[in-house]
Amino acid sequence: DTGVSQNPRHKITKRGQNVTFRCDPISEHNRLYWYRQTLGQGPEFLTYFQNEAQLEKSRLLSDRFSAERPKGSFSTLEIQRTEQGDSAMYLCASSLGLAVYQETQYFGPGTRLLVL
Amino acid sequence: RKEVEQDPGPFNVPEGATVAFNCTYSNSASQSFFWYRQDCRKEPKLLMSVYSSGNEDGRFTAQLNRASQYISLLIRDSKLSDSATYLCVVRGYQKVTFGIGTKLQVIP
Repeated sequence: DTGVSQNPRHKITKRGQNVTFRCDPISEHNRLYWYRQTLGQGPEFLTYFQNEAQLEKSRLLSDRFSAERPKGSFSTLEIQRTEQGDSAMYLCASSLGLAVYQETQYFGPGTRLLVL
Repeated sequence: RKEVEQDPGPFNVPEGATVAFNCTYSNSASQSFFWYRQDCRKEPKLLMSVYSSGNEDGRFTAQLNRASQYISLLIRDSKLSDSATYLCVVRGYQKVTFGIGTKLQVIP
């Protein structure tokens, strides 16, 4: 499978615990995005990387959230001290960074987080 | 005002009908526009990009009106398999904003 992969697919954790999600983009893609989606809403942009550089962070990304893409390949999203409001689907997408109007983002299957 | 607004629906239409969705955006500096399709409990997938000149892909036609700041999606001859949520996406220089999505249910 040469698409975007995310692990784990599901995560149940207790409030206050830390969780880390991984995203493996399509191999030649230089841009990588993280989104959060809750039921009945569209995906909300969290952050994006071009290669290893984190170029943009949403105000939604509180100081409990951190994302890395250390070698410009896979990325991790960590949530510290989880809260029940963090329960959501976390989606990763990658793209080949052509001109903006030509960019197609390919999404992974997501990691569904439930904080008890 | 939300950055990207869509009517969440649902739009219930019979097979073979033509249905249109609109999406408005607030930032006049927005650079590019897309329609994505999302099936229940699945990830979004690109349906089509939206260009100022309008573009068509089979039964689907997308248009952009920069003056009025909206994009539209027209689906002709609706199929049962078109049932999904259609997400409007607006891209600025760095930021990507998705609409809430419009749910379409095509009825036999």
